[in-house]
Amino acid sequence: DGGITQSPKYLFRKEGQNVTLSCEQNLNHDAMYWYRQDPGQGLRLIYYSQIVNDFQKGDIAEGYSVSREKKESFPLTVTSAQKNPTAFYLCASQEGTPVYNEQFFGPGTRLTVL
Amino acid sequence: RKEVEQDPGPFNVPEGATVAFNCTYSNSASQSFFWYRQDCRKEPKLLMSVYSSGNEDGRFTAQLNRASQYISLLIRDSKLSDSATYLCVVTTNAGKSTFGDGTTLTVKP
Repeated sequence: DGGITQSPKYLFRKEGQNVTLSCEQNLNHDAMYWYRQDPGQGLRLIYYSQIVNDFQKGDIAEGYSVSREKKESFPLTVTSAQKNPTAFYLCASQEGTPVYNEQFFGPGTRLTVL
Repeated sequence: RKEVEQDPGPFNVPEGATVAFNCTYSNSASQSFFWYRQDCRKEPKLLMSVYSSGNEDGRFTAQLNRASQYISLLIRDSKLSDSATYLCVVTTNAGKSTFGDGTTLTVKP
């Protein structure tokens, strides 16, 4: 089955530790995105990548880093510099021209920093 | 002011009711528009794209008004299964998407 996988579904970390969230897609999509969602709010864009080895900051990139070494993978690292990392993290991918095509989302990772 | 604004609701309606959501956007370079549905603690899924001419999919109708910079979603004959949060999404011609905070709908028997 084609789709987007994110792992793990739930993640707990101690304050001050870096943590990397996985996102893999087998849809052969060029564009990939990372969003953060807090309770009662919409999605906020962290980083996005429209092609391998290239990515851009979104609206809330501070305290996060990404890489795009392979088309199918777009891991997100939440660093200790992120002041309030507890949130629901969603990865998405999109085919071709990003303007007109829908984004497909993975099931998300709920990160809790203790 | 947020780039994309939605009435957060909640909208509580009885089964069979007609309900309408609006979403306004501030970036005049916005190129494409979508409505997504998000169930509690799940990922968003595309409900429908929004075209200038308006489009309909069964009980759902989406409209775009570029002059006033808003999009709307109309749900007719509401079902219990329509209960969810509805997110509007606006994408610029540079490919950057901005989500609204969502409107919560609860359909009651």
